Amino acid sequence: TQLLEQSPQFLSIQEGENLTVYCNSSSVFSSLQWYRQEPGEGPVLLVTVVTGGEVKKLKRLTFQFGDARKDSSLHITAAQPGDTGLYLCAGFLSGGYNKLIFGAGTRLAVHP
Amino acid sequence: DVKVTQSSRYLVKRTGEKVFLECVQDMDHENMFWYRQDPGLGLRLIYFSYDVKMKEKGDIPEGYSVSREKKERFSLILESASTNQTSMYLCASSLLQGGFEQFFGPGTRLTVL
Repeated sequence: TQLLEQSPQFLSIQEGENLTVYCNSSSVFSSLQWYRQEPGEGPVLLVTVVTGGEVKKLKRLTFQFGDARKDSSLHITAAQPGDTGLYLCAGFLSGGYNKLIFGAGTRLAVHP
Repeated sequence: DVKVTQSSRYLVKRTGEKVFLECVQDMDHENMFWYRQDPGLGLRLIYFSYDVKMKEKGDIPEGYSVSREKKERFSLILESASTNQTSMYLCASSLLQGGFEQFFGPGTRLTVL
């Protein structure tokens, strides 16, 4: 069982559609990160959220950290083919556990 | 521009062989990490290092060892490769411990026959 559950596992949409992916846990995280991984490359950090209820925007991407710091969401507005990739959430558990815990990822395909 | 490089993009080895995966970072980072990535399982931490000659076990260290003789280089060793070690191996580095960005290499796809 994953400590961080991501949903959906796969998403295939048309260009211009909106979408939301979720990252959920029963554990509290001191911070949570979202990475995007393109085929043949390593993950690249998109954002780090630290405060419960925090919302961060990166152009058409909106990231939210849950009030209780147990969950997060990524919303993409007007998706483009360049958004295609594997989206990974990862977090540091509260209480001094110093390793980054990854979810299994959401694989997004945006078709022209 | 920050850079993490891995010695091979693709590697094919036979069961029982000793395998070395090399990772080099040019950012003077203290921390380096080795993960394996498998479909449906995400990234799982094998080993990490917070300083030269220092290593700590991650979540799945069995069958692996590591070496960090220089700050910029972190090697993953499969002492006797097995088919269940077929996977994508990703190296990463970060400046500080805790909730800081990890910079990843492009990965090595290892197939053990």
